[in-house]
Amino acid sequence: DAKTTQPTSMDCAEGRAANLPCNHSTISGNEYVYWYRQIHSQGPQYIIHGLKNNETNEMASLIITEDRKSSTLILPHATLRDTAVYYCIVWSGSARQLTFGSGTQLTVLP
Amino acid sequence: NAGVTQTPKFRVLKTGQSMTLLCAQDMNHEYMYWYRQDPGMGLRLIHYSVGEGTTAKGEVPDGYNVSRLKKQNFLLGLESAAPSQTSVYFCASSYSVGDGGRETQYFGPGTRLLVL
Repeated sequence: DAKTTQPTSMDCAEGRAANLPCNHSTISGNEYVYWYRQIHSQGPQYIIHGLKNNETNEMASLIITEDRKSSTLILPHATLRDTAVYYCIVWSGSARQLTFGSGTQLTVLP
Repeated sequence: NAGVTQTPKFRVLKTGQSMTLLCAQDMNHEYMYWYRQDPGMGLRLIHYSVGEGTTAKGEVPDGYNVSRLKKQNFLLGLESAAPSQTSVYFCASSYSVGDGGRETQYFGPGTRLLVL
């Protein structure tokens, strides 16, 4: 599965949109982009995933560039409870495991 | 539904002792996984199972054994614990949708293990 690159940390003001970038320049055509988050050593929580099209659910939106080499997770109205480590993962299913990198520590500030 | 549960939540072992971590899921998922997470690092896959009675090695399998005798349970065993196995252990389960490229893993709350 393709490797991903994320910023180590980001801050966001409460109530504002949090935009978390992810680079995956070696992604192949059958690989999906998944986002998970981990709040303070709890078990990781699924957020959203996508293949080519932009996706939206009750938690977030996922914007994937046309060439699929990067994506952005958008939390539209960040709250203090969104403070967590966010992991961007590229996964094809050929390897069973999800490869968790270091992720981005998002801190939502009051 | 309880989702994915893990037992125990916390355990202290002495070097050389053995123990079994239990993972249970009530979502009828085919796939189950054991990960470990060391401080400041991402999760690494230890072993996984694609169905009852089948298991396979992940990225860091040494020192661990697993069993999947029932679909809903996945056991992780440490036969002779070492300080290097001090970590937080997460279990997860999932089902695959159609083409196999879309899969969401649901994680348990974790077991914190300290080996002295």
